[in-house]
Amino acid sequence: EAGVTQFPSHSVIEKGQTVTLRCDPISGHDNLYWYRRVMGKEIKFLLHFVKESKQDESGMPNNRFLAERTGGTYSTLKVQPAELEDSGVYFCASSPILPREEQFFGPGTRLTVL
Amino acid sequence: AQSVTQLGSHVSVSEGALVLLRCNYSSSVPPYLFWYVQYPNQGLQLLLKYTSAATLVKGINGFEAEFKKSETSFHLTKPSAHMSDAAEYFCAVSRLRGATNKLIFGTGTLLAVQP
Repeated sequence: EAGVTQFPSHSVIEKGQTVTLRCDPISGHDNLYWYRRVMGKEIKFLLHFVKESKQDESGMPNNRFLAERTGGTYSTLKVQPAELEDSGVYFCASSPILPREEQFFGPGTRLTVL
Repeated sequence: AQSVTQLGSHVSVSEGALVLLRCNYSSSVPPYLFWYVQYPNQGLQLLLKYTSAATLVKGINGFEAEFKKSETSFHLTKPSAHMSDAAEYFCAVSRLRGATNKLIFGTGTLLAVQP
């Protein structure tokens, strides 16, 4: 069974540009989460989808971030326009609808904003 | 509110020595606790989890952790370190009540194993 995949693995963009990160969860997992780790800090929750619905987006930093999960399969996280402080590693995780306690993480996308 | 504190951002042990990584949590409801490991250039992998069953939890690669409610701790241990244990370790807390079970992470502990 394939794990959680994320694309791209690395992205280097300039301030003001747009970047879209993609996450493909494990097949059949209804729960999908986005997290971010800024250098030197803890991994922080961004948002949670159940199928295509946003269950909790309390961690989204501001309205420059837009997450979608059309059809309840893969998800995208768009940053527009990117700022320097958006640099970090973005992780995606998924879990089945039940039990929910274990989240399976992808390898992350390292975003560098210059 | 929930939070996690990991004491020691860097821990260095000799190969064969005891590994002890500390984690204290704060939670207003019964917590679910996790240890994840991140090896270089890889994603987070679950080591073990506590979900209100046995307080001593055994995980992969010889790691275990003990849930101590009175101390609000969930320290990770391994009797004998291997070189392959060098990685970053994250303690996390969540709860399953309510609509979301987001993980709250500590800042991570980077474990170095010296030959």
